[in-house]
Amino acid sequence: DVKVTQSSRYLVKRTGEKVFLECVQDMDHENMFWYRQDPGLGLRLIYFSYDVKMKEKGDIPEGYSVSREKKERFSLILESASTNQTSMYLCASRQTGAYTDTQYFGPGTRLTVL
Amino acid sequence: GNSVTQMEGPVTLSEEAFLTINCTYTATGYPSLFWYVQYPGEGLQLLLKATKADDKGSNKGFEATYRKETTSFHLEKGSVQVSDSAVYFCALSFSGGYNKLIFGAGTRLAVHP
Repeated sequence: DVKVTQSSRYLVKRTGEKVFLECVQDMDHENMFWYRQDPGLGLRLIYFSYDVKMKEKGDIPEGYSVSREKKERFSLILESASTNQTSMYLCASRQTGAYTDTQYFGPGTRLTVL
Repeated sequence: GNSVTQMEGPVTLSEEAFLTINCTYTATGYPSLFWYVQYPGEGLQLLLKATKADDKGSNKGFEATYRKETTSFHLEKGSVQVSDSAVYFCALSFSGGYNKLIFGAGTRLAVHP
């Protein structure tokens, strides 16, 4: 089974803090994604990575950066957390093959910025 | 642009009732369509998908048919259970790229005994 893990289920930070959210997948997938989930808005793509050290902006990258130093790990960084970044953050890893193209999601990190 | 619209929730049903959750999309081209489910406290799981017009995806008693003429992908189940209570997301993506998923807002389903 594909397993995607996220470092924390719940996190509380203060405005202005630097925040790191970690995501690890154990299936050697090349593509990984970070989304945020907000009520009434569904999931929105923040950043994705198509290989080690490669990244692309998604639909809402402002206020975020990412790091992919190893294939299995994709980190989301909030350089200076703000209250409007309070949200649920979901990481996904993409499995591709001859008959499959599926994203697998981690359990999510609920971040509260005070 | 590309977008997905789902019926607003919450949807509240009694056990064994028939379920329909509407999903329509706007897309340039011919996307693949997906339904994901999020159970309480968990991440999203792929429920079913369809990759071309008239395809029917099915899983765990749920079905959805890719209707190009009405740009729809409605989710149905003949008899829901309490364990089906979750949030359901409709999504689309285009093959050949990085499979960027575009999600609808989600529909919460609550099933009561």
